[in-house]
Amino acid sequence: DADVTQTPRNRITKTGKRIMLECSQTKGHDRMYWYRQDPGLGLRLIYYSFDVKDINKGEISDGYSVSRQAQAKFSLSLESAIPNQTALYFCATSDPGLSTYNEQFFGPGTRLTVL
Amino acid sequence: QKEVEQNSGPLSVPEGAIASLNCTYSDRGSQSFFWYRQYSGKSPELIMSIYSNGDKEDGRFTAQLNKASQYVSLLIRDSQPSDSATYLCAVYNSGSRLTFGEGTQLTVNP
Repeated sequence: DADVTQTPRNRITKTGKRIMLECSQTKGHDRMYWYRQDPGLGLRLIYYSFDVKDINKGEISDGYSVSRQAQAKFSLSLESAIPNQTALYFCATSDPGLSTYNEQFFGPGTRLTVL
Repeated sequence: QKEVEQNSGPLSVPEGAIASLNCTYSDRGSQSFFWYRQYSGKSPELIMSIYSNGDKEDGRFTAQLNKASQYVSLLIRDSQPSDSATYLCAVYNSGSRLTFGEGTQLTVNP
């Protein structure tokens, strides 16, 4: 079984719709992250959470919100989707208590298209 | 200036050659450095981590770090067609945020 899972894997939606992307992990990591990836722009951090009660904005949080329902679950919401939110979205996890490097491990991604 | 810059690609090498991927970073307080491999449409996969100046080898991969020059590189020896992918350099800056370069696309020709 995959350590980090994301649902859905693909989603097509329309402008103005609310959409939620979900991430679950069985790695036991405390820290979870949401990134988006666009061609030519690399991976950019949207939000991150160091534990259930800790949520932080990343570099591109406008238009997004998150919820950390449990240590293992971290959801990303687009309240009113717009076409420039079309991208590949990745969830990642890490735990500095388990590794000197605090490496981040990525889920399989969600391809989101907003029409 | 971008926080993390990678050599522009795409990079093409023949099978069996050494592929050299380069990355520079702007924050002198950066502490940890990573190389991820990403196949088209897939998620980034961690292949190397390096923390100290010098070389770190893992199989066919060698990561090199020079903090004075703010430079980190990845060498892939005996390149194989299966190494064809985009390679992402990532750096934990002094603010503990992982910042990625835009990636270098590598093609290994049989």
